[in-house]
Amino acid sequence: GEDVEQSLFLSVREGDSSVINCTYTDSSSTYLYWYKQEPGAGLQLLTYIFSNMDMKQDQRLTVLLNKKDKHLSLRIADTQTGDSAIYFCAERKAKTGGYNKLIFGAGTRLAVHP
Amino acid sequence: DAGVIQSPRHEVTEMGQEVTLRCKPISGHNSLFWYRQTMMRGLELLIYFNNNVPIDDSGMPEDRFSAKMPNASFSTLKIQPSEPRDSAVYFCASSDFRRDSRGHYSNQPQHFGDGTRLSIL
Repeated sequence: GEDVEQSLFLSVREGDSSVINCTYTDSSSTYLYWYKQEPGAGLQLLTYIFSNMDMKQDQRLTVLLNKKDKHLSLRIADTQTGDSAIYFCAERKAKTGGYNKLIFGAGTRLAVHP
Repeated sequence: DAGVIQSPRHEVTEMGQEVTLRCKPISGHNSLFWYRQTMMRGLELLIYFNNNVPIDDSGMPEDRFSAKMPNASFSTLKIQPSEPRDSAVYFCASSDFRRDSRGHYSNQPQHFGDGTRLSIL
């Protein structure tokens, strides 16, 4: 199938690290993305990783990719209250002739408490 | 830079009425996507255009839904007649999806608008 799976909820204390996990199904996916959605807003691209990479770091964000297990994670260091949002994992399907379709997970709601 | 612009932001109407949602993609982008987001189903891709041509409309729920892209800077999603189960947040997204000089499709993420919150009474 085309399921991208994520845990639905994560609660962390302010200042701690958050780790949001995702599993995907298509081993030929070329790019994997993390989007953030705040209340009443659209999805904002946070970061992405190309499938030939294992890790990508961007300021407080670290993305780890395990292609063998089709597992993607997003680590947020020093989590702040402003990081409270829903985080979506997405894979870009690779199809012949080029096809720009993303498959999204259901989203992980991150709650940051003092 | 202007992002993807959707209108209206909110729409409340009675069932049976026609609803038209509008989207202006980012200038220069050649791919446009309409999504629907609900608590029950999450984020669903409804239709995808490339160079103003519908490529995949397999996510369109039924004949009551139609989408057009008359030019590169404008798209509409129409529901006629509307039903209460159509209540959702509808997102439009765009990206620049083309081959580079080596013939590869490089990373061109989708950029989302702020959505239209639709309530059908």
